[in-house]
Amino acid sequence: AQSVTQPDIHITVSEGASLELRCNYSYGATPYLFWYVQSPGQGLQLLLKYFSGDTLVQGIKGFEAEFKRSQSSFNLRKPSVHWSDAAEYFCAVGGSNDYKLSFGAGTTVTVRA
Amino acid sequence: DAGVTQSPTHLIKTRGQHVTLRCSPISGHKSVSWYQQVLGQGPQFIFQYYEKEERGRGNFPDRFSARQFPNYSSELNVNALLLGDSALYLCASSLGAEQYFGPGTRLTVT
Repeated sequence: AQSVTQPDIHITVSEGASLELRCNYSYGATPYLFWYVQSPGQGLQLLLKYFSGDTLVQGIKGFEAEFKRSQSSFNLRKPSVHWSDAAEYFCAVGGSNDYKLSFGAGTTVTVRA
Repeated sequence: DAGVTQSPTHLIKTRGQHVTLRCSPISGHKSVSWYQQVLGQGPQFIFQYYEKEERGRGNFPDRFSARQFPNYSSELNVNALLLGDSALYLCASSLGAEQYFGPGTRLTVT
């Protein structure tokens, strides 16, 4: 069975500070990993993805994520947060022969001035 | 290029009624997936259709059904609505492993 755990329900950061969101996954084969962002009342926007190769992947809006197979983790980072980064962030796992994504419960990010 | 579009944006229904939600994928995408997102949770997979055939189904009752049309657009139908069906219904289209989501349809069942 595939699953995703996002240990942090809510994180508050100051504008300009760094941000790291944790994601742990369980998947029986080689995972495809994704981070999505959702603003209130909106759909999901793909931030970045990992399929294979370089374990540090760059995404949109200055985000990056690192795949660590030994830890079954795919943590999302941003060096300097902007107020517009306040949103909910979802980690998801799928596979090359998989037809579905399994999502974590999400982490809500609040940015304080 | 247009992204995934969904209609309607919002919908209010009464328990026991039927609802149909619609989705148009990104041009060139042949696969459409449906997800249910209950408030405060991550999206849960309902269906995926590829080339008009059901490719996968999540753990949802038979009250939920879907279909895909020759132009790759899709409909999600839910019969005998329950209060617990209140959620944001997300449609995603894909060409490969990446799924691109629409803005969703907010369904409220009273």
